[in-house]
Amino acid sequence: EDQVTQSPEALRLQEGESSSLNCSYTVSGLRGLFWYRQDPGKGPEFLFTLYSAGEEKEKERLKATLTKKESFLHITAPKPEDSATYLCAVQAGSGNKLVFGAGTILRVKS
Amino acid sequence: DVKVTQSSRYLVKRTGEKVFLECVQDMDHENMFWYRQDPGLGLRLIYFSYDVKMKEKGDIPEGYSVSREKKERFSLILESASTNQTSMYLCASSYIRGSPLHFGNGTRLTVT
Repeated sequence: EDQVTQSPEALRLQEGESSSLNCSYTVSGLRGLFWYRQDPGKGPEFLFTLYSAGEEKEKERLKATLTKKESFLHITAPKPEDSATYLCAVQAGSGNKLVFGAGTILRVKS
Repeated sequence: DVKVTQSSRYLVKRTGEKVFLECVQDMDHENMFWYRQDPGLGLRLIYFSYDVKMKEKGDIPEGYSVSREKKERFSLILESASTNQTSMYLCASSYIRGSPLHFGNGTRLTVT
């Protein structure tokens, strides 16, 4: 069974304090790994797709990386507006389904 | 930008009622999905559809059904609402298989 585990469950950072969120997965035949950001009261918003080990994507203060077993979302010099829940999801096999992790709640204090 | 619109932000229903959740997307996407989101459990797939009048069961379809009569509209139906169906329901669409999902802002359903 495909599984996605995110850690930590919650993370508190001071503004400017860089850190990383982890997404580990156990799937057969990874076709894509997706990162989403979710603000309170809203639906998830797409950030990145990674397809193969070694791939990296960047957007502003965020950088996503992928290995054969896990993905990291690196946050450099975060600001309070980066506070959100970050979700990781994988697509595997020939299906059309995404399997989501439970998310990491990030709080950045000024 | 893709817009996925869910008809209600909040709903309160009684046990045993039949409940309809509506979702409309404006980008001619092939695929549409219904998820529920519960604290600590993440998003779980209820049903999805990759074409008009087509539907596939997700991971937790029990107690739910869906309807897709038009490409832009995907409805989730709770045949007889129960308290364990109290949750946040999220609709999403995607252009083709493997492309990113675009989500609506959710319907928070409370069944009393």
